Amino acid sequence: GAGVSQSPRYKVAKRGQDVALRCDPISGHVSLFWYQQALGQGPEFLTYFQNEAQLDKSGLPSDRFFAERPEGSVSTLKIQRTQQEDSAVYLCASSLDGTSGSPFTDTQYFGPGTRLTVL
Amino acid sequence: AQKVTQAQTEISVVEKEDVTLDCVYETRDTTYYLFWYKQPPSGELVFLIRRNSFDEQNEISGRYSWNFQKSTSSFNFTITASQVVDSAVYFCALRNYDNTPLVFGKGTRLSVIA
Repeated sequence: GAGVSQSPRYKVAKRGQDVALRCDPISGHVSLFWYQQALGQGPEFLTYFQNEAQLDKSGLPSDRFFAERPEGSVSTLKIQRTQQEDSAVYLCASSLDGTSGSPFTDTQYFGPGTRLTVL
Repeated sequence: AQKVTQAQTEISVVEKEDVTLDCVYETRDTTYYLFWYKQPPSGELVFLIRRNSFDEQNEISGRYSWNFQKSTSSFNFTITASQVVDSAVYFCALRNYDNTPLVFGKGTRLSVIA
């Protein structure tokens, strides 16, 4: 079946522009996660949804970052007034159920990421 | 606080050599999960294995094997008879039972040379 998809794959923005990054999770997956990966680093958590509810947004670096998942499926990560330090790869992951404790349902599967470059 | 350390930044091996990628973790929780992911040049993180803290059995899957040692807080990954297609960045990650976000190490870049 189809995996997690993200669009666009590449985005170049001028400093100060707003951007929107889209994530289509695996069909039927309840949990959705956003991570930020700086060059040469491991992914770092941004925010987490269970269905349409945003349960944890502790990793969002500033109030310029906003995420939503209004119908519990597709999610959008929006960055307002982009800065150069926002340049990174933004990864989306989904799992069938993030809190079950079962290896079959709470493993996170990742999309290919969106590489954002802010000039 | 949780932390994952992958001390090896880059490793180069010649094809058919065996290679071990190290992972050391820190957590105060008694129940937790450990993962390995592969990130090829395409950028997508590919899930390889998950291990929970109650299961210290080592696992083998084809050329891949994992050695989980709770006493030393390590979860090392060995590739036997490496191939060029194994070239990628490998990440070790940790997750609490209750907290769903993954905590990643900085990754080890493996280059397998033909």
